[in-house]
Amino acid sequence: NAGVTQTPKFRVLKTGQSMTLLCAQDMNHEYMYWYRQDPGMGLRLIHYSVGEGTTAKGEVPDGYNVSRLKKQNFLLGLESAAPSQTSVYFCASTRDRSETQYFGPGTRLLVL
Amino acid sequence: RKEVEQDPGPFNVPEGATVAFNCTYSNSASQSFFWYRQDCRKEPKLLMSVYSSGNEDGRFTAQLNRASQYISLLIRDSKLSDSATYLCVVRNSGYSTLTFGKGTMLLVSP
Repeated sequence: NAGVTQTPKFRVLKTGQSMTLLCAQDMNHEYMYWYRQDPGMGLRLIHYSVGEGTTAKGEVPDGYNVSRLKKQNFLLGLESAAPSQTSVYFCASTRDRSETQYFGPGTRLLVL
Repeated sequence: RKEVEQDPGPFNVPEGATVAFNCTYSNSASQSFFWYRQDCRKEPKLLMSVYSSGNEDGRFTAQLNRASQYISLLIRDSKLSDSATYLCVVRNSGYSTLTFGKGTMLLVSP
């Protein structure tokens, strides 16, 4: 099993450009999450999903959209990137809400 | 008040030392507690869950005090490979969302 994978690993955007980050898991997990991690801020939840076709807002959802069309994939979209969205983005998944979350390797995004 | 607070460190200790990390949480309805480890430029990984009765995994001991809303992690006989950032994590009531502390950095030197 590959576990949780994220695409791309690194990306540079110009302000105003759009992009989609892909998270994929092969563990048949129901719950999936997107976090961002910034220096001095810790991990903050952007959006999450409790099953295929569902999404919910986390702590810092503004400027992001998500979709969970397939159980194994969770997409994070930036419609119009801003320098404040420069961060490391982590995806995570879990089978059951009582279990621990497994994280992907992260996507480093730089918005100029 | 921050939901999960940790001493940011860094903690600089020699090999073989014992080091303790502390964490407090603000939501008394929090259900579960964990310590994650994060190496530089890597993803967080579960180190251990924290149970009310306290639990041990080799050189690592975790304690929970629900009355004081306090969590601790003790590392005995520190190794160079223990150098990392340790994240205190709390599961919130309701759906499975986690709240992360900012982490405490540990540097173990020869």
